Amino acid sequence: GAVVSQHPSWVICKSGTSVKIECRSLDFQATTMFWYRQFPKQSLMLMATSNEGSKATYEQGVEKDKFLINHASLTLSTLTVTSAHPEDSSFYICSAELREGREKLFFGSGTQLSVL
Amino acid sequence: KQEVTQIPAALSVPEGENLVLNCSFTDSAIYNLQWFRQDPGKGLTSLLLIQSSQREQTSGRLNASLDKSSGRSTLYIAASQPGDSATYLCAVGRGGATNKLIFGTGTLLAVQP
Repeated sequence: GAVVSQHPSWVICKSGTSVKIECRSLDFQATTMFWYRQFPKQSLMLMATSNEGSKATYEQGVEKDKFLINHASLTLSTLTVTSAHPEDSSFYICSAELREGREKLFFGSGTQLSVL
Repeated sequence: KQEVTQIPAALSVPEGENLVLNCSFTDSAIYNLQWFRQDPGKGLTSLLLIQSSQREQTSGRLNASLDKSSGRSTLYIAASQPGDSATYLCAVGRGGATNKLIFGTGTLLAVQP
């Protein structure tokens, strides 16, 4: 099956720094990628939809300037958490939509972010 | 606003037992429904995908049903094994230009050897 690689798996950073998370579709082209956030013992919440070559669409309540999303190619989307604070500590997961099949979504392995 | 709820939140069963996980959603106008498995600290693995026009899907020991009119889906796991221990998530696809998913709250399953 299709593979989505997410990096890093975990990251610890100081408050006020920025962290970049990468999401790559390894063997298929993904016109659309999604970014989710999951707090402990809660479900996944969609943060934004990333389309190749265009601006991301953010869900209500998600700060665009804080969570910068770049989808520069059909195989790579990045999420940058700017000026991270402890409340941003969470599990971030990306998913990529297979171009030929709209229903096909493949998920990355997630990134655990801890902000001290 | 679509809301997806899963019951129970946690379930512990002895190995070999058959079990049912429940998922309910408030808006029946869905594009599809998926069941995922999530292991601790890991990403998601898609188990079954049911289109809105379908009533069930089967894969090995797993069977998922969908009743759009009542806003419910069930995941049936036959002859459970310790390796089935994980969190199971259902997600409703909203369709449209992209397949955005609304996730349920999850059921944490523990299968005791």
